[in-house]
Amino acid sequence: GAVVSQHPSRVICKSGTSVKIECRSLDFQATTMFWYRQFPKQSLMLMATSNEGSKATYEQGVEKDKFLINHASLTLSTLTVTSAHPEDSSFYICSAGVPVLAGGVSDTQYFGPGTRLTVL
Amino acid sequence: AQTVTQSQPEMSVQEAETVTLSCTYDTSENNYYLFWYKQPPSRQMILVIRQEAYKQQNATENRFSVNFQKAAKSFSLKISDSQLGDTAMYFCAFGSNTGKLIFGQGTTLQVKP
Repeated sequence: GAVVSQHPSRVICKSGTSVKIECRSLDFQATTMFWYRQFPKQSLMLMATSNEGSKATYEQGVEKDKFLINHASLTLSTLTVTSAHPEDSSFYICSAGVPVLAGGVSDTQYFGPGTRLTVL
Repeated sequence: AQTVTQSQPEMSVQEAETVTLSCTYDTSENNYYLFWYKQPPSRQMILVIRQEAYKQQNATENRFSVNFQKAAKSFSLKISDSQLGDTAMYFCAFGSNTGKLIFGQGTTLQVKP
């Protein structure tokens, strides 16, 4: 159980175009999903928290107009990189948490396989 | 704000030997979770082990165990009987009641035959 998928796994696009990445929880409902960015041999950097039915919460320094997040259902969150440029090339990873019955403490996050974005 | 520090950028171990990866963290919270994730060359993040801060007993999962020292804010991972498939980047992560995970810088582990 607790499988998260991402699509596409790889995408190459031209500078100035927009790219949409989908993140799905396959066997559970996720009210919250998270989007990370990872550069080669570096750690994961949290970009934003995606909340079902409400606006995403962005981390400091992340442009909300550049990285649009939509969490339209309990199993799907999308990240759209708008007007992509070569500096947006990176590995993008989503995660979803298995809901906790006890309140107030985070539980385990399960990660999608990631999307490699290359902007030419 | 919470921070997570992994002070060993790279480590290596011989197959079948034991290796310990270090992790320290800083927080003022009392209720939290700690995790070790593994990221092999495929880059898929895989949960290795988790520890609830309110539990004194160290978590174990087969060949993987942790040494959780709450007062010292230390959370090391011990891998016993290392296997070639353990070669990966390992991330220590702190999870608070906000639901967010804060990751350490990572340790690249190479298991040598």
